[in-house]
Amino acid sequence: AQTVTQSQPEMSVQEAETVTLSCTYDTSENNYYLFWYKQPPSRQMILVIRQEAYKQQNATENRFSVNFQKAAKSFSLKISDSQLGDTAMYFCAFMSSSNTGKLIFGQGTTLQVKP
Amino acid sequence: DAGVIQSPRHEVTEMGQEVTLRCKPISGHDYLFWYRQTMMRGLELLIYFNNNVPIDDSGMPEDRFSAKMPNASFSTLKIQPSEPRDSAVYFCGVRLIYGYTFGSGTRLTVV
Repeated sequence: AQTVTQSQPEMSVQEAETVTLSCTYDTSENNYYLFWYKQPPSRQMILVIRQEAYKQQNATENRFSVNFQKAAKSFSLKISDSQLGDTAMYFCAFMSSSNTGKLIFGQGTTLQVKP
Repeated sequence: DAGVIQSPRHEVTEMGQEVTLRCKPISGHDYLFWYRQTMMRGLELLIYFNNNVPIDDSGMPEDRFSAKMPNASFSTLKIQPSEPRDSAVYFCGVRLIYGYTFGSGTRLTVV
């Protein structure tokens, strides 16, 4: 069974600085998708970025980028120029490409951006 | 996000009472999921449906939990009888062509 692990329960960063959130996963599959979701206090789950395992190029969305290391099964999220609005819980998630549709989440990392 | 509407947003009930959580998803999905979020366990997948058919309910913690999806636009998660340890935020989500979308969750408190 696939598992997703986020080893940092809480992190903090100064506004305008850069922070990296860690995620590792376990799977025997070769094709899959990885996601980072943001959950602000409103509880809404917001997709931040996604990565297809067959793509070697790391995904980037404005200030958000990932470091995808397939062999190491690592998928970290880098937030550059942190803003107060980035304060939220961040979840790493895995989806198999075998069309089960199931999305498996990590435990989450609470990020606090300090002014 | 109006894509998935969950009700109620908050629910407080007494131990032993029946609780029904509701989900109205946007059309165009093929999968519907129910997750439970707690501080201790994070986001746990309880059950998911494919084209309204339950596929995997191995995450349902006990027989007290049940879920139905009578049609593509409605699903319920029922807890009967409820217990204090069921207190959590329950999310409903769906998979669409462009990705997943989730409701804002129901915060359940069982006292």
